[in-house]
Amino acid sequence: QQQVKQSPQSLIVQKGGISIINCAYENTAFDYFPWYQQFPGKGPALLIAIRPDVSEKKEGRFTISFNKSAKQFSLHIMDSQPGDSATYFCAASKGSGYSTLTFGKGTMLLVSP
Amino acid sequence: DTAVSQTPKYLVTQMGNDKSIKCEQNLGHDTMYWYKQDSKKFLKIMFSYNNKELIINETVPNRFSPKSPDKAHLNLHINSLELGDSAVYFCASSQTTVLNTGELFFGEGSRLTVL
Repeated sequence: QQQVKQSPQSLIVQKGGISIINCAYENTAFDYFPWYQQFPGKGPALLIAIRPDVSEKKEGRFTISFNKSAKQFSLHIMDSQPGDSATYFCAASKGSGYSTLTFGKGTMLLVSP
Repeated sequence: DTAVSQTPKYLVTQMGNDKSIKCEQNLGHDTMYWYKQDSKKFLKIMFSYNNKELIINETVPNRFSPKSPDKAHLNLHINSLELGDSAVYFCASSQTTVLNTGELFFGEGSRLTVL
């Protein structure tokens, strides 16, 4: 499987700040890019996702920015809150059929009060 | 009602033993998966079943054998457990369409510790 590279590995942000996590992919056939959020002791859960026909998608405080030419996408968390402290995974897959998600290695986010 | 449920949540066993993890989903999805999450949190696909049929089998030792009795259940049996098998195993499900594999719904994980 093609790799999805995620950075940083860990991130500490003050409450109210902006958290930014970046991902890069290699396979140009990828056309679905979700972000998953995982709290300790729980399974990952879908947070937000984007397809390459748009450059940005916003849901509440969470925004995905997508740069198709650079093969990069990022998650921005505005007004970060302590409750946002979790591990975030970017992922990618090909759109059709039984394509499985390829996950990045995850970013542990800690939002300090 | 839990959408994707796994049992047991915790499993501690000796090297060389055989163990099973069970998974059930009540979402009506047609595709189920097993993922392994290691100590560094890396999520790696192990198997994928669509309508009880194995469609993805990543490079996994053949000590790992999945079994899907029906499309709502996917069990994982592990023979001759090794120290390196210690990890959290996640079951997930999704509804596959022509367009995409859809959102993955994960269970809460089964933490396996091999001593």
